[in-house]
Amino acid sequence: DAGITQSPRYKITETGRQVTLMCHQTWSHSYMFWYRQDLGHGLRLIYYSAAADITDKGEVPDGYVVSRSKTENFPLTLESATRSQTSVYFCASSDPGSWDGEQFFGPGTRLTVL
Amino acid sequence: GEDVEQSLFLSVREGDSSVINCTYTDSSSTYLYWYKQEPGAGLQLLTYIFSNMDMKQDQRLTVLLNKKDKHLSLRIADTQTGDSAIYFCAASSSNTGKLIFGQGTTLQVKP
Repeated sequence: DAGITQSPRYKITETGRQVTLMCHQTWSHSYMFWYRQDLGHGLRLIYYSAAADITDKGEVPDGYVVSRSKTENFPLTLESATRSQTSVYFCASSDPGSWDGEQFFGPGTRLTVL
Repeated sequence: GEDVEQSLFLSVREGDSSVINCTYTDSSSTYLYWYKQEPGAGLQLLTYIFSNMDMKQDQRLTVLLNKKDKHLSLRIADTQTGDSAIYFCAASSSNTGKLIFGQGTTLQVKP
């Protein structure tokens, strides 16, 4: 499917478990982003990547790990999940060569940590 | 660092105009955006304005930018129940590709 997809769409896990959220885009956009959405906080940037093998921390990176071995994939791992990581996670991508800088969003993953 | 602020909630009657306001702090933001999020979905770009513009109109949407006050607004004319959603203001961050988002304004449209 063309576009940006996320999997799983819903995940329930327990405190202390490792969880990986997947993000895949078909446009070959070099920029990719992970956000979390929480009531009252809007979207907060967790990590971003300017290209394969280049990643950098965003506003709230603690407890998360990312990798980007291929341009099209940008997985987000919670190494030891905590209840405070219960949230909706959005992946996005953009083309730095585009003239308006639009970010394209995936449908989100709703994660519950018990 | 860069900050973007929005009011959290707006309720209007169907057919009225809606105005959603946003303030930002980074005067170097090249683009300012309005994204729409419908329930259970990701964000979709609604419209944007380049920083050297004061106004942009796109059908029922009007974006006003006051650079001096760092204030952005989105006006939706003839608001419909299908416009009920969360609206996010976002500012571009100094050629990094990053966007800084506000908290989102929930627009409720009453029939």
